[in-house]
Amino acid sequence: EPEVTQTPSHQVTQMGQEVILRCVPISNHLYFYWYRQILGQKVEFLVSFYNNEISEKSEIFDDQFSVERPDGSNFTLKIRSTKLEDSAMYFCASSDSLGPQYFGPGTRLLVL
Amino acid sequence: AQSVTQLDSQVPVFEEAPVELRCNYSSSVSVYLFWYVQYPNQGLQLLLKYLSGSTLVKGINGFEAEFNKSQTSFHLRKPSVHISDTAEYFCAVSPYNNAGNMLTFGGGTRLMVKP
Repeated sequence: EPEVTQTPSHQVTQMGQEVILRCVPISNHLYFYWYRQILGQKVEFLVSFYNNEISEKSEIFDDQFSVERPDGSNFTLKIRSTKLEDSAMYFCASSDSLGPQYFGPGTRLLVL
Repeated sequence: AQSVTQLDSQVPVFEEAPVELRCNYSSSVSVYLFWYVQYPNQGLQLLLKYLSGSTLVKGINGFEAEFNKSQTSFHLRKPSVHISDTAEYFCAVSPYNNAGNMLTFGGGTRLMVKP
């Protein structure tokens, strides 16, 4: 069964450093998403991406965040200058036109 | 905008007992509804979805949920739980008939199945 994959599974970084989280969505899906879950809190939407551009973003997704689909298979989330409060589990998801979103296993980011 | 409320943060239950996890939502537009499960140290797995049609939806692992539009609820049920059902369960909604839209999640309910 096809699945969404994410790398790395864990990332530790120093405050102010840039991080890139990588995702490989399900191959025939057209819509891609990033969510995050701060420990003990709700899963929160960050951004959705379709046809090589952002289709929707939340207020969390400020100028320090960016997304890219650098090739036909990868979808990345870049955090330019990490802050302590960026520590969270980051989930990538993908969907076809009107179907449900399928999630990857997540990347646990710890900012020190 | 949408919001989702899961009324119980934790539900302890004995093995083989029935369980209901409650979910209520608020939305100014019609929505699709979902339940996701998160096992310890794993990602979110789709349990079931309501897109249209019959209001009683069956999912994986013997779970089912019923959409009640008048009460804006989508409660999850299982007639007999197993130890392996111990996990966090999330209810989520997205706007109807609008591809690529964000999911809004509830706060989650931790189901703890005891032997």
